[in-house]
Amino acid sequence: GAVVSQHPSWVICKSGTSVKIECRSLDFQATTMFWYRQFPKQSLMLMATSNEGSKATYEQGVEKDKFLINHASLTLSTLTVTSAHPEDSSFYICSAPGTRVDQPQHFGDGTRLSIL
Amino acid sequence: QKEVEQDPGPLSVPEGAIVSLNCTYSNSAFQYFMWYRQYSRKGPELLMYTYSSGNKEDGRFTAQVDKSSKYISLFIRDSQPSDSATYLCAIYTGNQFYFGTGTSLTVIP
Repeated sequence: GAVVSQHPSWVICKSGTSVKIECRSLDFQATTMFWYRQFPKQSLMLMATSNEGSKATYEQGVEKDKFLINHASLTLSTLTVTSAHPEDSSFYICSAPGTRVDQPQHFGDGTRLSIL
Repeated sequence: QKEVEQDPGPLSVPEGAIVSLNCTYSNSAFQYFMWYRQYSRKGPELLMYTYSSGNKEDGRFTAQVDKSSKYISLFIRDSQPSDSATYLCAIYTGNQFYFGTGTSLTVIP
């Protein structure tokens, strides 16, 4: 079945560092991908919609310059957290739309980001 | 008002118990309802989905939608320790998802 691969699964870095997270669709093409953030004991919050070949669409309150999204190919979207700070520590999850009503979205396994 | 509300729990039950997880939603036009299971430090996986109202059963799991009261439920029969996870209800409008906060479930052997 369709699989979305997310890398890395866990990253720890110093404050001020930029971190790139990759999201790949392994056996299908995804013109759109979604990026979510999930804080402990909270729900998934949509951050942005990544569109292949065009600019991402950001949700209200999400800083575009802070969370850079690039969707350069039909199988890869990247999220770069620039100049990360401890408050950016969270669980970031990407997903790609499915093609069946019983599988409307395929999620990656998430990236745990810890900023020291 | 949020599109979907879910009691975050946590919920702790003994093995073999029947578990009831619930969400309420705000818009009566919503049609697609889903339940996702999320293990610790993993992405959500689709457990069940229902369209419109009624019940849907899959093994030990039953999803129920009551459109008159805008209430969705997931029942787990004969709960197992492997069912310990966070369960998120979700609504799909066709182009957008709304997720509940998730209910943390622990099944004690």
